[in-house]
Amino acid sequence: EVQLQESGPGLVKPSQSLSLTCSVTGYSITSNYWGWIRKFPGNKMEWMGYISYSGSTSYNPSLKSRISITRDTSKNQFFLQLNSVTTEDTATYYCASLVRRVFYYVMDAWGQGASVTVSS
Amino acid sequence: DTVLTQSPALAVSPGERVTISCRASESVSTGMHWYQQKPGQQPKLLIYGASNLESGVPARFSGSGSGTDFTLTIDPVEADDTATYFCQQSWNDLTFGSGTKLEIK
Repeated sequence: EVQLQESGPGLVKPSQSLSLTCSVTGYSITSNYWGWIRKFPGNKMEWMGYISYSGSTSYNPSLKSRISITRDTSKNQFFLQLNSVTTEDTATYYCASLVRRVFYYVMDAWGQGASVTVSS
Repeated sequence: DTVLTQSPALAVSPGERVTISCRASESVSTGMHWYQQKPGQQPKLLIYGASNLESGVPARFSGSGSGTDFTLTIDPVEADDTATYFCQQSWNDLTFGSGTKLEIK
């Protein structure tokens, strides 16, 4: 059974970079796709991007200039970096496994979520 | 972006049948999926491809729809179904609905 766990600072200052790690157990990140999703206060959820089994990436166009998703296959971890954060980036950040079901990609496993507050 | 609209909240009694709707701003074919998120927990996939039940999910849950209008049905509802239910589409990039909070009276 695949399990995911987010880790990283819970507080980031405005204009700095937000960095989170997703540690995966039970499945190799050199298979499937691995993504980041965030949930804002008030429940709105936003797809941020993913990294594929080969290391290719795809990002939400609204974040494309600020986001980077990378990985370390030796540690079976993947990472999120979001630059130039503002208070509007305050959210709970989830990492998830993406799998193909029928014709579509869905998130079949999620981490517990990491709460990140952007504040000075 | 494809905007997904859900009603914010519902309250039903145990044993009843509940339908939760999700309307897309443009057609997403059958690329609609449903997740359950209980308080303090991560989301859990219930339904994919509009009507396919994820493995391990009770048959009380079902999904229907295509194009722009979709429905998640729980029949019968149990007390443990208290949660927020999100729709998500993957036909036009990936977007989520704002969630419907289900209260069991």
